[in-house]
Amino acid sequence: QKEVEQDPGPLSVPEGAIVSLNCTYSNSAFQYFMWYRQYSRKGPELLMYTYSSGNKEDGRFTAQVDKSSKYISLFIRDSQPSDSATYLCAMRSGSARQLTFGSGTQLTVLP
Amino acid sequence: DTAVSQTPKYLVTQMGNDKSIKCEQNLGHDTMYWYKQDSKKFLKIMFSYNNKELIINETVPNRFSPKSPDKAHLNLHINSLELGDSAVYFCASSRNNEKLFFGSGTQLSVL
Repeated sequence: QKEVEQDPGPLSVPEGAIVSLNCTYSNSAFQYFMWYRQYSRKGPELLMYTYSSGNKEDGRFTAQVDKSSKYISLFIRDSQPSDSATYLCAMRSGSARQLTFGSGTQLTVLP
Repeated sequence: DTAVSQTPKYLVTQMGNDKSIKCEQNLGHDTMYWYKQDSKKFLKIMFSYNNKELIINETVPNRFSPKSPDKAHLNLHINSLELGDSAVYFCASSRNNEKLFFGSGTQLSVL
């Protein structure tokens, strides 16, 4: 079993839909949680960064962390075709020197 | 200004050849990384340098050798290339193992 599980999709939604992307993990030591967005033929770019449990909002994006369930989510409101990309979750423990990535979910927002 | 730049963007070569990928960051970060991304988008760390010192050296064939001439540069040399080395290689940097900033990737194709 992988340390971080992420549904690879692909996921297709109509423009304007609310998108929910999720990851589960097994390591209870994880404290820092990130979402990266990767456009085709580009490097991943950091979208959201959260510490421990709770919610964080940035524009149309909301990151949620539920440490008791070992479950993190990224919500995208009013999705746009420009949101079409692969979304990777990543996390690490406080002492870790490296991130553990999910395998990514491919999202397509149809105009 | 490009924060993390790597060259070349595309590399097509024959089996058995030796090749290098270069990476430079102008963010003033103290840690640099090499990641390999397979066809299923899974990102796997290969190496990490902190202030020119190797701190992460994952299970990678000896044919792969990183070199960090200074804090802003991390190169990757690959000897005796094999078909299985075909992938996208990403350079990244961070400050104190915090948020990762990725380059745009080098697509390596071994024929």
